[in-house]
Amino acid sequence: EAGVVQSPRYKIIEKKQPVAFWCNPISGHNTLYWYRQNLGQGPELLIRYENEEAVDDSQLPKDRFSAERLKGVDSTLKIQPAELGDSAVYLCASSLRGRANTEAFFGQGTRLTVV
Amino acid sequence: LAKTTQPISMDSYEGQEVNITCSHNNIATNDYITWYQQFPSQGPRFIIQGYKTKVTNEVASLFIPADRKSSTLSLPRVSLSDTAVYYCLVGALNQGGKLIFGQGTELSVKP
Repeated sequence: EAGVVQSPRYKIIEKKQPVAFWCNPISGHNTLYWYRQNLGQGPELLIRYENEEAVDDSQLPKDRFSAERLKGVDSTLKIQPAELGDSAVYLCASSLRGRANTEAFFGQGTRLTVV
Repeated sequence: LAKTTQPISMDSYEGQEVNITCSHNNIATNDYITWYQQFPSQGPRFIIQGYKTKVTNEVASLFIPADRKSSTLSLPRVSLSDTAVYYCLVGALNQGGKLIFGQGTELSVKP
C-alpha cells in the first residue's frame, strides 16, 4: 500500500510569489495533518482535518496561508505571498480517527526555499 | 496537553544499548505515549507506542513506570543507521487528535 504522498519534493521561489503543496493521504485515513518543520526543530502543527472539516487551524498564519481538503481526501496547502521566513519543510501526515492508540503516517515532505 | 521533556542529544557506539528517557509529568489518563524516529530529509516514522508497563516490538522496547510520568525508549544494539532524531509524544488521538512534537533527541551512533 502506498504511503502518504507529497509533491513537489523541493520548491524554490522568490519572495512574494505564491506556492502550493499537495498531499495524498493513505486511503481510508480520515484525519490529515499539515506540519511545518524548521531546521533543527520538531514539526509544528499548522492545521488538522477530520474528513473535509478543518478542526484545528489555530497555528495557521491565516493572513498568508490557506488550506483545503476537497471531498475529505487530497489536501492542498497554499502560501500567498511567500516570505523569507517561510523557508522550511512542510510535512503532511494522516491517521485513522476513532482509536486512542492509532499512529500517524508522514510523507517525505516538501522542502521550500524562499529567496 | 501534556508537555514532554527529553535530552537534546545523545552519543553512542555501535552495538550498545541506548535508552532515551522522556518526562511527561502532566500525562492524562487517556493519553498514550508514542515515539517517532526521523532521519534527515524524511518525515517522522512511528516506532512504538504504549500505555503502561512494557511494550516490545522488532525495533525497540518502551518502558513505562506505574505513575506514567516518564517513559524510556530502549534501542538494543544500535547501529550507524539508528542515527536519527527521536521524538516522544503524549496524547490520545481520538480526543482532539493533536500530535505535538517537542525538539526531540538527536542520537548519534559512532563506529
